[in-house]
Amino acid sequence: GAVVSQHPSWVICKSGTSVKIECRSLDFQATTMFWYRQFPKQSLMLMATSNEGSKATYEQGVEKDKFLINHASLTLSTLTVTSAHPEDSSFYICSVQRQTRRGETQYFGPGTRLLVL
Amino acid sequence: QKEVEQNSGPLSVPEGAIASLNCTYSDRVSQSFFWYRQYSGKSPELIMSIYSNGDKEDGRFTAQLNKASQYVSLLIRDSQPSDSATYLCAVNGQAAGNKLTFGGGTRVLVKP
Repeated sequence: GAVVSQHPSWVICKSGTSVKIECRSLDFQATTMFWYRQFPKQSLMLMATSNEGSKATYEQGVEKDKFLINHASLTLSTLTVTSAHPEDSSFYICSVQRQTRRGETQYFGPGTRLLVL
Repeated sequence: QKEVEQNSGPLSVPEGAIASLNCTYSDRVSQSFFWYRQYSGKSPELIMSIYSNGDKEDGRFTAQLNKASQYVSLLIRDSQPSDSATYLCAVNGQAAGNKLTFGGGTRVLVKP
């Protein structure tokens, strides 16, 4: 498997502020990480693919200027929600992609719950 | 048609019974298939991966893959109340690059 941490686990902020979420791969160097968002009673929605040393690839409909992703090292990717609004309140989950003998497998972090007031 | 489809449930099973979860996918060239378990309020946890046609067993879990029918299933034997969760089927195919496509999940309730 893989050990993935996220910080913070939950955050409450005022509308208009920016929030940074960290995702760390603790037991191997992750070239590729993913960021997902999950609203209540819905499935995971991929927001972007984070590649170490290069720009993130965003999914259609995800504003890259609002959700800033930085994958500065092989163990750390950050997601910054800029000028957060109540509609950004959600469960943000990162995953790391690990190469196994049979293919690539994703392992998820514990998630960060964001509440924007 | 959704790319990965699951019955949303809830699938209610008595304790000790077998829970059978189904998943169909549309990308015929998909190569890797995963089942994740997600408890309420938590992130998904990988429980099974399968890459070849046939069955793969791991403890009380058995994954079954039929690429011709574009169908993957998960059996949970001797279901326990702690198995109550949402089970997400995920598919990794050439069409999606390295990205996983998730089904909507099946909610399982194991009743004591």
